[in-house]
Amino acid sequence: AQSVTQPDIHITVSEGASLELRCNYSYGATPYLFWYVQSPGQGLQLLLKYFSGDTLVQGIKGFEAEFKRSQSSFNLRKPSVHWSDAAEYFCAVGAPDSWGKLQFGAGTQVVVTP
Amino acid sequence: DAGVIQSPRHEVTEMGQEVTLRCKPISGHNSLFWYRQTMMRGLELLIYFNNNVPIDDSGMPEDRFSAKMPNASFSTLKIQPSEPRDSAVYFCASRLGTSGSHEQYFGPGTRLTVT
Repeated sequence: AQSVTQPDIHITVSEGASLELRCNYSYGATPYLFWYVQSPGQGLQLLLKYFSGDTLVQGIKGFEAEFKRSQSSFNLRKPSVHWSDAAEYFCAVGAPDSWGKLQFGAGTQVVVTP
Repeated sequence: DAGVIQSPRHEVTEMGQEVTLRCKPISGHNSLFWYRQTMMRGLELLIYFNNNVPIDDSGMPEDRFSAKMPNASFSTLKIQPSEPRDSAVYFCASRLGTSGSHEQYFGPGTRLTVT
């Protein structure tokens, strides 16, 4: 069965500093990989996704993520965070051979300090 | 496009009462998902519809929960009778197509509190 782990429950970062959120998955083949962001009181919004090809993918809001097959990881990065990046971030895994059921990680809460 | 619409945004009810949550997917999307989000269990998929037909309801907690999709533009999630442990945020999401590579678009959620 597929699973996804986000080791960091909570991260505090200063505005302007870089951010990296970790995501590890367990699946027999390369799954579909997603990062979603949830602002307070809002639904989830897709930041980026990976299916195949270039292992470095660019997303919205200046985010990028790198797929590393050898580490079963799909970490999210942003070079310089803004106060508006404070939110909860979810990594999700989908099996290519299914109808697209997503398994979500537990989420990482990001706090941005001045 | 208005996005996925959910109503109500907040619902407070007493234990034992019936609760109905509503969702209008994005026009043209033929896949619809209901999720539940709690602190303890995170985001859980409850049920998945494709072309208005329930495909996977293995996530529905128990018989108190039921979901319907009478047409392509409307779905309901009903809890009867409700219990305090049903308190959560319920999200509806829609997607174009059946491929897992396609993005799911989430609604703003309904925050349910059962007292």
